[in-house]
Amino acid sequence: AQKVTQAQTEISVVEKEDVTLDCVYETRDTTYYLFWYKQPPSGELVFLIRRNSFDEQNEISGRYSWNFQKSTSSFNFTITASQVVDSAVYFCALSEAGSGGYQKVTFGTGTKLQVIP
Amino acid sequence: NAGVMQNPRHLVRRRGQEARLRCSPMKGHSHVYWYRQLPEEGLKFMVYLQKENIIDESGMPKERFSAEFPKEGPSILRIQQVVRGDSAAYFCASSARGSLFTDTQYFGPGTRLTVL
Repeated sequence: AQKVTQAQTEISVVEKEDVTLDCVYETRDTTYYLFWYKQPPSGELVFLIRRNSFDEQNEISGRYSWNFQKSTSSFNFTITASQVVDSAVYFCALSEAGSGGYQKVTFGTGTKLQVIP
Repeated sequence: NAGVMQNPRHLVRRRGQEARLRCSPMKGHSHVYWYRQLPEEGLKFMVYLQKENIIDESGMPKERFSAEFPKEGPSILRIQQVVRGDSAAYFCASSARGSLFTDTQYFGPGTRLTVL
């Protein structure tokens, strides 16, 4: 069965510091997708990124960057120069094919990030 | 292009009452997924539906919970005879296709159910 582990329950950083959120996953499939979602205090889930298992290129989007390493089954997320608006719970997720070939997503327990001004 | 809509955003029920949660997928999306988030936990898959069909309900409790996605109208998650342990945030997601290779699930704002 697939599993996603986010070992960091809560992280506090001071504004402008860089912070990395860890994500380790387990799956038997060779084809799968990894995701990061942001859940701000308002509660909605905001999609940040999707990465497929065949693409190990790191990705950068503004202050956000993602480091996918298949060898260690990790998909870590770094926020550079953190801002107060980054304060949220961040979820890492893994999808693999369900019994009907559809996308079945497993979420980690989330990392609560607090950015202190 | 409106996103996934859920209503109500907040729902309070007393033990034994019924809770009905609605989800309108994004325009053009015919696949709906329901997840439950217990306090301080991640989201757990409950059920996956296409129009008029339940594809996978392996994450849904066998009793008191049911879901539908009729040909017309929103998807409904129904919880009968609610208990305190049902208090949680219920998220709906939709996708254009169910395919692993081309799809992303987009989430609604959630319905926060409180059972008194």
